[in-house]
This record gives sequence, C-alpha cells and structure tokens, in this order.
Amino acid sequence: DAMVIQNPRYQVTQFGKPVTLSCSQTLNHNVMYWYQQKSSQAPKLLFHYYDKDFNNEADTPDNFQSRRPNTSFCFLDIRSPGLGDAAMYLCATSRGPESWDEQYFGPGTRLTVT
Amino acid sequence: AQSVTQPDIHITVSEGASLELRCNYSYGATPYLFWYVQSPGQGLQLLLKYFSGDTLVQGIKGFEAEFKRSQSSFNLRKPSVHWSDAAEYFCALRVNAGNMLTFGGGTRLMVKP
Repeated sequence: DAMVIQNPRYQVTQFGKPVTLSCSQTLNHNVMYWYQQKSSQAPKLLFHYYDKDFNNEADTPDNFQSRRPNTSFCFLDIRSPGLGDAAMYLCATSRGPESWDEQYFGPGTRLTVT
Repeated sequence: AQSVTQPDIHITVSEGASLELRCNYSYGATPYLFWYVQSPGQGLQLLLKYFSGDTLVQGIKGFEAEFKRSQSSFNLRKPSVHWSDAAEYFCALRVNAGNMLTFGGGTRLMVKP
C-alpha cells in the first residue's frame, strides 16, 4: 500500500547530540511537511518542501533543518537537541500545495532527549 | 490570522451513545475544513473534509460533520460511538493563501463501556 513511513518510531538522543529523523513516501507526492507535536498539544508546522523548494515557518528555530534529496525522502535534522525538543515529529505529504490537497500523515517519531 | 478553537478538551461518552465534538473557526472567508483522528502513539488520519457545496459531509468510520457559516462552526458527529473511537480528534483549516494546516487544540474522547 502507498504510504508515509517514518523511521525510527522511537528515538532517544542526548542533550546537544545531533539527531536525524527520516520520512519516506510511496505516494509520489510533491509536497512533504514536518510537524512537531508536543504532549497534549496540536501539531505545529515546522517547514515543508514543494518539490525542491524549501519553505520554513517564521517561528521555526534555527536548530531545526531539513533535507529532501529526492521525491521520496525527507529528513529532519536537529543540530543540538534541547530538553524542550522532546516531542512527536510527524511527517506528512500532499499531492500539491493547494489548500484542498489532502495531507497524508505518517505514524510519527517520538523523540526523547536525555 | 485564522484560528481554530475546540472548546472541549476532554469528552467522555458511553459506548452506543451519540457524539458531537465542537469546532469553531475564525477566518474572513470560507476556509477548507478538516477533521483528523489520532490514536495514541499514531499519526493523524483524515476523517472528512469540507471545501464547498453540501454543508453536511460524510466521512469514514461513520462520522459526519456539518458546516455552519453563520456560527463559524464545523462540528463532528457520530450517532453511535464504539469503544474503538477513543482517540484524540483535531479540527483543522487551510486557507487559500498558504499551505499551513491550522489545528485546534484537540479533543480527547474517552468511551465508557
């Protein structure tokens, strides 16, 4: 089945140690998104790629970076994780950037920072 | 700027009872509206969406939602709740100007046997 896959599902990293989260999709969608969802809160968009064009949300910390080497893969890099970065990170895709294009979400990666 | 409010943080209903989850939005025009469900430790699954046309939309798992422009609301309903419906429910909107999904704070649904 076509889907959005996130690896790993659970990631533990140390304070200040760089970590990379992975997302892949078999939907051949043009747009990929990264959301941060803290406990008992709504998901918050960090950034998205429309094809190779990177779009950063204004309040996304510089500590968060992203790479999209090809259509199928997108990575979230946290350069120096702090305790406040512990959260669920959700990847999503959509066929296009239009407002009516449905977003398909992966199962998420839960990040713990020790 | 647009916003979404879900007034109920927690709701508990008995299995077999009817359900209504409230969602109010703030936006100058008609937005694109969505309801997502999130089971514990899982990603979000789209239940239904409203773009235009019939204001009563049907979704998966027996859910429906009604768009009421006069009340700026998009409430989610289900006539008979099943224990497997226990989850977090998010209302969200998108507007023409951008890609961002604006989410409400979520409503956690618990189902009593």
